[in-house]
Amino acid sequence: QVQLVQSGAEVKKPGASVKVSCRASGYTFTGYYMHWVRQAPGHGLEWMGWISPKSGDTSYAQKFQGRVTMTRDTSIRSAYMELSGLRSDDTAVYYCARDLRGPHDYWGQGTLVTVSS
Amino acid sequence: SSELTQDPAVSVALGQIVRITCQGDSLRNFYASWYRQKPGQAPVLVIYGENNRPSGIPDRFSGSSSGNTASLIITGAQAEDEADYYCNSRDTSGKLYVFGSGTKVTVL
Repeated sequence: QVQLVQSGAEVKKPGASVKVSCRASGYTFTGYYMHWVRQAPGHGLEWMGWISPKSGDTSYAQKFQGRVTMTRDTSIRSAYMELSGLRSDDTAVYYCARDLRGPHDYWGQGTLVTVSS
Repeated sequence: SSELTQDPAVSVALGQIVRITCQGDSLRNFYASWYRQKPGQAPVLVIYGENNRPSGIPDRFSGSSSGNTASLIITGAQAEDEADYYCNSRDTSGKLYVFGSGTKVTVL
């Protein structure tokens, strides 16, 4: 069965960077794009960007351009989202989600990133 | 515009029909997907494309689209359908994605 397993919770100071991982299993990793979505406490879902695990091509939401980097390691079937210049309003749960040519059909369990001094 | 607009909240009596709408310019060209999210859980895809349900989603969930508005319809709402619902689609450029603001559904 398809599974996306994310790395554990992180606590970071303002200005630092965080890198969240997403390990895929149960399907051909390079056959499906991967989205990253975040949700701040008490707020809605926010699309951040996506990566092609096959080519490494990326597209980022304008809001995160210059601060986010999405990468992948096909040898271990993992996708990564790194966010730099962290601020308190980056405190959120970060999700990876598999792309089904548009819909996000499988989601990771989420990774809580807390930004606090 | 890259925005998708949803009503913040809607309520429905147990067993009745509820329609959740999502408006945006990009919906004239792209289908919406719909996600259900319960507190403390990851979102779950419930409807995608013209009107497709992933395996395991009850057939009381359906979708429709007209012009710049996509709808998620729950026919015969159950207590377990109480959740936040989000629409999602490509933006007007077709290259990026955007989520709606979400609708909280309360089953009375």
